[in-house]
Amino acid sequence: DARVTQTPRHKVTEMGQEVTMRCQPILGHNTVFWYRQTMMQGLELLAYFRNRAPLDDSGMPKDRFSAEMPDATLATLKIQPSEPRDSAVYFCASGLGLASYEQYFGPGTRLTVT
Amino acid sequence: AQSVTQPDIHITVSEGASLELRCNYSYGATPYLFWYVQSPGQGLQLLLKYFSGDTLVQGIKGFEAEFKRSQSSFNLRKPSVHWSDAAEYFCAVASSGGSYIPTFGRGTSLIVHP
Repeated sequence: DARVTQTPRHKVTEMGQEVTMRCQPILGHNTVFWYRQTMMQGLELLAYFRNRAPLDDSGMPKDRFSAEMPDATLATLKIQPSEPRDSAVYFCASGLGLASYEQYFGPGTRLTVT
Repeated sequence: AQSVTQPDIHITVSEGASLELRCNYSYGATPYLFWYVQSPGQGLQLLLKYFSGDTLVQGIKGFEAEFKRSQSSFNLRKPSVHWSDAAEYFCAVASSGGSYIPTFGRGTSLIVHP
């Protein structure tokens, strides 16, 4: 049963600390998306990759957020330094080519910054 | 730019009753339309999608949706709701003209009473 995995599932950290979230896309999928979900803003697209290359990260606060794909099986989202307003659930999703449009979501990382 | 409106933040139904969740989109050409479901603590799961052809689309878990171009709507329906259907439902639209990135609505929370 292929699925997207995310670690950690929950993270509580203090303001100013670095946070790294990891995602393993479904094997063979070549597009990866990062979303942030909050009650106030709903589901926001932060960044996405195709074949490990970043295509769009305009949804991310550039000064503190960074997203990378070190290899085809790992995507990372880092926040440095973290702030309380970053508290949210962060989802990774993967897909088979952009034109398939379908996205398969991971279970999310619930981040709390105190 | 494409946009999606889900007019109902919450919907409450009794178990066994029929369900209709509303979705209106804004897009100039023929859209690609999706419904996703998010169970508590989980990521989003694709229920069904419309790209072209028959405007009544069947999905998983007994759901269906009907594309009505004249009303710019893609409402989700289920004839008999089960308690396990309680979840958040998201409508999404993507442009057939090629940005490939769906825009998600704010979601409708479905509450099922016994």
